[in-house]
Amino acid sequence: NAGVTQTPKFQVLKTGQSMTLQCAQDMNHEYMSWYRQDPGMGLRLIHYSVGAGITDQGEVPNGYNVSRSTTEDFPLRLLSAAPSQTSVYFCASSSSGWGDQPQHFGDGTRLSIL
Amino acid sequence: DQQVKQNSPSLSVQEGRISILNCDYTNSMFDYFLWYKKYPAEGPTFLISISSIKDKNEDGRFTVFLNKSAKHLSLHIVPSQPGDSAVYFCAASEIQGAQKLVFGQGTRLTINP
Repeated sequence: NAGVTQTPKFQVLKTGQSMTLQCAQDMNHEYMSWYRQDPGMGLRLIHYSVGAGITDQGEVPNGYNVSRSTTEDFPLRLLSAAPSQTSVYFCASSSSGWGDQPQHFGDGTRLSIL
Repeated sequence: DQQVKQNSPSLSVQEGRISILNCDYTNSMFDYFLWYKKYPAEGPTFLISISSIKDKNEDGRFTVFLNKSAKHLSLHIVPSQPGDSAVYFCAASEIQGAQKLVFGQGTRLTINP
């Protein structure tokens, strides 16, 4: 009963490096999202997807790229890491887009950019 | 411009008493409001939700109240237990916005024995 799995759990990068945060869900959910959590700011939406091949920007998309080639996977790419991208990143999924459907969250990736 | 606000960063309550967590919002387009609970090093987990057409929803020890005219909601936990110590996030979505939640800053609840 894995739910939403995020890898890696921790990562340290140097400024300018690129990397991909992995997210996989085994619940056959169509809707997936990426959020970042910064101290005192709650979670903010980066990108989201309503199905394979369909993605859109959230509140803070700059510096990030996503694609959705399968229902299960929704990777988040940092193109050129910056210290401002130091954060905890959460991936989430839901079975439908109706607002009362709760999202299921992974345990997060803690990312530090030096 | 923060659309969902939790103005109390922390709250301390004695075990067995009532915990009341508050949340305010500004966007009249929000149709659903959800509360999530988060333990350290874990992702948020869904607790309870309420539709904008209701003013109360109850699930065991947890009750959420919505005052739409005041754009205010609150989560009541009765009785509070030590395992309730966590960070609580209020979130809001439009009718077809489950994948686009807007979160408040969170309130750290500590239950003292």
